Amino acid sequence: DQQVKQNSPSLSVQEGRISILNCDYTNSMFDYFLWYKKYPAEGPTFLISISSIKDKNEDGRFTVFLNKSAKHLSLHIVPSQPGDSAVYFCAATYTGTASKLTFGTGTRLQVTL
Amino acid sequence: DSGVTQTPKHLITATGQRVTLRCSPRSGDLSVYWYQQSLDQGLQFLIQYYNGEERAKGNILERFSAQQFPDLHSELNLSSLELGDSALYFCASSVGASGRALEETQYFGPGTRLLVL
Repeated sequence: DQQVKQNSPSLSVQEGRISILNCDYTNSMFDYFLWYKKYPAEGPTFLISISSIKDKNEDGRFTVFLNKSAKHLSLHIVPSQPGDSAVYFCAATYTGTASKLTFGTGTRLQVTL
Repeated sequence: DSGVTQTPKHLITATGQRVTLRCSPRSGDLSVYWYQQSLDQGLQFLIQYYNGEERAKGNILERFSAQQFPDLHSELNLSSLELGDSALYFCASSVGASGRALEETQYFGPGTRLLVL
């Protein structure tokens, strides 16, 4: 049972444009969501997170939006840069699970020149 | 560099064998987590240790076991290996185990790629 889903395996965006990566979840107990970025031959790196009490969190070029009623979150990258090319994983957890993260399958973003 | 180290980077072995993966957490981190990433899959949580004690368990097979030592490094033991165990195994660490995710950002190591032939 895939509780966190990233339905787009890949995305290609031109440099300078907006990248939008999507994530859906099914477990209504999730109350904390994270995005991780992964380069080849490296482990995932924490990017940005959002608590369920918020609907938006911004950090520089990265903004995460949470729509609890739709059980959907998205990561916006503006403007996209070639160095953003990586696999992006959405993850979710809930209070009391000792931070056990449930990950999506990832979206490979390619930012082209 | 996350500060989490994993050895070895690559491991090739045969079915039925036993291997040990090692993880050293970031300095000061008391929690260690193990994840498995199979081909085209997301990371699957296996197990968490906090200061030497098992704290949470995920979909970890009975053939797999882990432990965290007094110096806080952790080992994941995989036995009676099958072809389907071929995967990337990641270790992550965080400061503690408060259960409050906001305080528990996990930092991942580079992973160990296991190939079972």
